[in-house]
Amino acid sequence: QITLKESGPTLVRPTQTLTLTCTFSGFSLSSSGVGVGWIRQPPGKALEWLAVIYWDDEKRYSPSLRSRLTITKDNSKNQVVLILTNMDPVDTATYYCVHRFAGAFDMWGQGTMVSVSS
Amino acid sequence: SSELTQDPAVSVALGQTVRITCQGDSLRSNDVSWFQQKPGQAPVLVIYAINDRPSGIPDRFSGASSGSTASLTITGAQAEDEADYYCSSRDNSGNHLNYVFGTGTKVTVL
Repeated sequence: QITLKESGPTLVRPTQTLTLTCTFSGFSLSSSGVGVGWIRQPPGKALEWLAVIYWDDEKRYSPSLRSRLTITKDNSKNQVVLILTNMDPVDTATYYCVHRFAGAFDMWGQGTMVSVSS
Repeated sequence: SSELTQDPAVSVALGQTVRITCQGDSLRSNDVSWFQQKPGQAPVLVIYAINDRPSGIPDRFSGASSGSTASLTITGAQAEDEADYYCSSRDNSGNHLNYVFGTGTKVTVL
């Protein structure tokens, strides 16, 4: 059974850096073809893909946020970390950690709400 | 990067059929997925690879794609199908591979 859980701050100040951790179980991120991604959703708005990291350490980033994003993995801890710098109120959203395999984001975490406010 | 456009809202009578469409250039790949999201919940994958269903997804959900348009059809809509639906695809149009989501469609079951 695949599970993913996001953790991190619920409130960050403008210009600060957001660090989110995804802790997962039920699969290995060292298995061929497996990836873990991050997707966010501002309140009342659509989903937005942010980044994905694959079993072979290949990383992909949203073109619009590439300069602010970093994604890393720790296979020994079954964790993926997302860093988003220079936070702004428009970054207020629920951030989801997602398992990717066979061309699909097939399992999602429950999400964590992050607000950006001074 | 490409954009995926969906109708904001559709309604369907209980037991009837509804088709949700998604338009965008990136849909020419075969990496098309659909997600169902109910209020306060995380999205759930209902269709991937254009028309494959994950285990546990009822067979009343089906997908199709032609050119720059993809669709999700619910045949015999049930009350529990009332939700927001998002399409998604891989986007190879720029210098870097990335993934895009549609604008979302709210489905109301009457």
